[in-house]
Amino acid sequence: NAGVMQNPRHLVRRRGQEARLRCSPMKGHSHVYWYRQLPEEGLKFMVYLQKENIIDESGMPKERFSAEFPKEGPSILRIQQVVRGDSAAYFCASSTRGFVTGELFFGEGSRLTVL
Amino acid sequence: KNEVEQSPQNLTAQEGEFITINCSYSVGISALHWLQQHPGGGIVSLFMLSSGKKKHGRLIATINIQEKHSSLHITASHPRDSAVYICAVGDYQLIWGAGTKLIIKP
Repeated sequence: NAGVMQNPRHLVRRRGQEARLRCSPMKGHSHVYWYRQLPEEGLKFMVYLQKENIIDESGMPKERFSAEFPKEGPSILRIQQVVRGDSAAYFCASSTRGFVTGELFFGEGSRLTVL
Repeated sequence: KNEVEQSPQNLTAQEGEFITINCSYSVGISALHWLQQHPGGGIVSLFMLSSGKKKHGRLIATINIQEKHSSLHITASHPRDSAVYICAVGDYQLIWGAGTKLIIKP
């Protein structure tokens, strides 16, 4: 049973480009969470998704950021028109349960560098 | 005052020593997580606790809900235990502690 898979592990973008980060949850997990870790800081919640639904996006910037978790395929975190401040590690976690927190399983993270 | 406080911030010990990392929180919680982040940056969930005590190999985690305090213990520490250990509380939004950087010297 593969763990949470994130790709790419490292992504370099120039200012103004788009970044797409993918997360495949563990098999049988239907709850996906995205977190961002800025350099030298702790993780911050961004968005919680279930298949085809955004449950809570209160931690996600209103502009340029979007997330989806389609019926088929991985969850995608999309950042449009990236800026240097978007440089961070983006972690995805999945669980079998939602609101009553099930054990979280994390991916290795995707490290975005904006030049 | 931070909602989740960890101590110590940094800990260096010799191989074989018994390690304790503490976490105090000020908010009501549904669960408390202990996580490990290695220098490469990957995060591993060690424990999720809502009461009592859990043990996994050389790791033991305890929580006292009344005192709003949790501890992570490592017995017979080993250099491969060197990592940042993070306490996080709450539901999926998770309020994260600042982490404890642990270095185990051979």
